[in-house]
Amino acid sequence: DQQVKQNSPSLSVQEGRISILNCDYTNSMFDYFLWYKKYPAEGPTFLISISSIKDKNEDGRFTVFLNKSAKHLSLHIVPSQPGDSAVYFCAHGRYEKLTFGTGTRLTIIP
Amino acid sequence: EAEVAQSPRYKITEKSQAVAFWCDPISGHATLYWYRQILGQGPELLVQFQDESVVDDSQLPKDRFSAERLKGVDSTLKIQPAELGDSAMYLCASSSRETVLSGANVLTFGAGSRLTVL
Repeated sequence: DQQVKQNSPSLSVQEGRISILNCDYTNSMFDYFLWYKKYPAEGPTFLISISSIKDKNEDGRFTVFLNKSAKHLSLHIVPSQPGDSAVYFCAHGRYEKLTFGTGTRLTIIP
Repeated sequence: EAEVAQSPRYKITEKSQAVAFWCDPISGHATLYWYRQILGQGPELLVQFQDESVVDDSQLPKDRFSAERLKGVDSTLKIQPAELGDSAMYLCASSSRETVLSGANVLTFGAGSRLTVL
């Protein structure tokens, strides 16, 4: 059974610096990974995805890296902005099923 | 921009009462999901529909929870009777066949229904 783990429940970063959020997983063959952002009292919103056959995907300030040998996924946000303060979930996808991590609360300090 | 509609946004009920949540997915999205998110945890899949058929309800507590999507469009999730441990955010999401075929099934979530059981 697929598991995704976000071992850091919280992270604080100075505005303008790089935020790095991490996620570990157990299996990735023919799968994909996604990052979602969630504000309080709202549903999660999609940020960026990456296929298991790729190492990197970039979209504006957001870059996701996939280290298959380490079974590790990371999201880089640069530069960090106050509006980035939210809970970030990594998710593993196989076909139509998504399994979510427990989330990391990112706080951007002005 | 198309949205997933959910109601009610907030629901407070006493234990042993019945509650129901409604979801209207993005038009044309064949796949509909109900997730439950307990505070401090990630969303957990309760049930997945493909059109009007249940694809996965392995994590749905069927003794008290039920879900239906009769015409393959909107959906209702019911809890009867509610228990204290059911307090959570209930999230509905939908996705289209095109996103699945593109290689990454991107779910679009609604704003959620926050349930508090007293």
